[in-house]
Amino acid sequence: EAGVAQSPRYKIIEKRQSVAFWCNPISGHATLYWYQQILGQGPKLLIQFQNNGVVDDSQLPKDRFSAERLKGVDSTLKIQPAKLEDSAVYLCASSARQGAYEQYFGPGTRLTVT
Amino acid sequence: SQQGEEDPQALSIQEGENATMNCSYKTSINNLQWYRQNSGRGLVHLILIRSNEREKHSGRLRVTLDTSKKSSSLLITASRAADTASYFCATGVSILNRDDKIIFGKGTRLHILP
Repeated sequence: EAGVAQSPRYKIIEKRQSVAFWCNPISGHATLYWYQQILGQGPKLLIQFQNNGVVDDSQLPKDRFSAERLKGVDSTLKIQPAKLEDSAVYLCASSARQGAYEQYFGPGTRLTVT
Repeated sequence: SQQGEEDPQALSIQEGENATMNCSYKTSINNLQWYRQNSGRGLVHLILIRSNEREKHSGRLRVTLDTSKKSSSLLITASRAADTASYFCATGVSILNRDDKIIFGKGTRLHILP
């Protein structure tokens, strides 16, 4: 089966600019996650969707980050405006079941904010 | 919030030797998962052990869980160059009024020497 797809793979922007990332989960996976992974650290959950509804966005900096999953399939994560500390890899993952189960990760988008 | 903490932070061993890394956590868990991350294949799920299980095997991987000590270990036997990667433990926890979620540790960086 096809894995989780993400684009772009790399993005360089200047601070205060905006950026958007796209994710297409594994077909049939209702649960979708966005993580932020700063160099040398583990992934940190930003937001979790179940179909097109938000389950957990407690660690999403809502003043600058937004995410949507309009049709319960693809998702986009946006940062506006970006700060230097947003430089990280943004990982999208999906799972077949909601909860603490196996997650399948995409290749990630490496964002550099200058 | 950081739940699991891997030890050691970095480990270098000769090819063919066994590698052991540990994970300690703070609160009660429903399960514990181990993931591997390298530049080639991204973040990949390795194994899940439930809180009522003490040991689990998958190929050259052996995971143990001691809930009384709030710790887990991952043993990789007969290491290969391809095992060079970062290894993360992810604890499955129950969140009040929400579904279970997994929280990643900071990881152990394993380097297999030829």
